[in-house]
Amino acid sequence: QQQVKQSPQSLIVQKGGISIINCAYENTAFDYFPWYQQFPGKGPALLIAIRPDVSEKKEGRFTISFNKSAKQFSLHIMDSQPGDSATYFCAASRQAAGNKLTFGGGTRVLVKP
Amino acid sequence: ETGVTQSPTHLIKTRGQQVTLRCSSQSGHNTVSWYQQALGQGPQFIFQYYREEENGRGNFPPRFSGLQFPNYSSELNVNALELDDSALYLCASSLPWRDEQYFGPGTRLTVT
Repeated sequence: QQQVKQSPQSLIVQKGGISIINCAYENTAFDYFPWYQQFPGKGPALLIAIRPDVSEKKEGRFTISFNKSAKQFSLHIMDSQPGDSATYFCAASRQAAGNKLTFGGGTRVLVKP
Repeated sequence: ETGVTQSPTHLIKTRGQQVTLRCSSQSGHNTVSWYQQALGQGPQFIFQYYREEENGRGNFPPRFSGLQFPNYSSELNVNALELDDSALYLCASSLPWRDEQYFGPGTRLTVT
C-alpha cells in the first residue's frame, strides 16, 4: 500500500498555457503530499506541498488540488513558461513514520515558446 | 545558510567493488535520508538517519549501509556493486519535527 501513481508521463504545453499533473495514492495513512521539480543533472527541489485537511493550496503560479475521498491530488501550473520545462514528481509521506517519501514516477513537462 | 551538499559528483566503479558516498546536511538539519533514483524513474527511499541511528529502511539489501556523524553529515556505503546499482544517489535533510525535505544535487554512480 505504498504506491503513488503519477500521470501523464510527459506533456507538452504552449507558453502561457496550463500544465496539469495528476497523482493517486493508496495508503490512507499518508498525511503530507509534496511536489518536487527536477532539472537535468540536479536534485529535486521542493515546489509546494499540502496536507489532507485542506482541498487546495496556491503559491504563485502553482496550485495543488487535493481530493481526500478519491485519494488523488494534482498540480496545476498556470501561465506556463519555458523555464518551467522540467520533470515534476509528486510524493507522499506519513509523519508518524519519519516522513520517508514515496515518489510517483515523474512527469516530463516541455513548455514551448 | 548552506544547502545540502554531496560528494563526489560522479563516480565510475566496477561490478563487485565497494563505494562510499558523502552528504553534508543543511545547517541545523539533524535528519538525513538517502534515495536512489534510476534513470527515468522517481527516487526510492533507501534509509534515514536521525541522531546517528538508522530510523527506517526501504526495500534495499544489507549491502547498502550508512552512517551519520555527530555533525549530522552522512555516508552511504554500497558493497559488492551490481550493474543495477547504477543510478543517481540523493541525500535529503530535514528537521525532525518538520515535513519538508531538501535534496542535494546527487552523486551519479555508474557501475560497469
